[in-house]
Amino acid sequence: QSALTQPPSASGSPGQSVTISCTRTSGDVGSFDFVSWYQQHPGKAPKLIIYEVRKRPSGVPDRFFGSKFDNTASLTISGLQAEDEADYYCGSDAGKNRGVFGGGTKLTVL
Amino acid sequence: EVYLVESGGGLAQPGRSLRLSCAASGFFFDDYAMHWVRQIPGKGLEWVSSINWDSSEIGHADSVKGRFSISRDNAKKSLFLQMNSLRPEDTALYYCAKDIGSTLLYNAFDSWGQGVLVTVSS
Repeated sequence: QSALTQPPSASGSPGQSVTISCTRTSGDVGSFDFVSWYQQHPGKAPKLIIYEVRKRPSGVPDRFFGSKFDNTASLTISGLQAEDEADYYCGSDAGKNRGVFGGGTKLTVL
Repeated sequence: EVYLVESGGGLAQPGRSLRLSCAASGFFFDDYAMHWVRQIPGKGLEWVSSINWDSSEIGHADSVKGRFSISRDNAKKSLFLQMNSLRPEDTALYYCAKDIGSTLLYNAFDSWGQGVLVTVSS
């Protein structure tokens, strides 16, 4: 059972904004200071879209925004586009040289 | 451009061993921590193992601890995962991933291979 909890699904219409949460539900997660987000399209490898809670790798559009408050990190995607339809995973360090992922959220663009 | 190419997967019987390899190119391999992540087709991501730049920091998931061992050869720009005492529940697509940093602090994976399939079945 993952120590990071995500909603199994989310949806939004093109142009709208959607927020996906990632809640630390167990103390078996490290500092939760280094939260990352990944986008995975079917049949493809995951792609890093947010690291260190809110930083975007080069090439990731600023429509993707990361934030954190207390034990919940969030990924907000604004101006939804059809190509944003994918699975999204949060990840974090889990202390003691370990990592952990959330269970994933399937985003549907209506 | 960063390339990570996994190999060594395939079909193994329960209790047997496999060794996965990941050949890296396009970046200074010595400068980065590396990881293995697995995914059962249709399911979520599961972190498996991590190793820092000089192999002084290593971590394994509880589900594989004592059975799997991660290692690296910086001279050959290669990452390895020795998988012993395989179980059917180890069946998954195994990804090699590069960290954004040299230590296991960030656990952020900015480059991924395409994955190699491991099937454990009698």
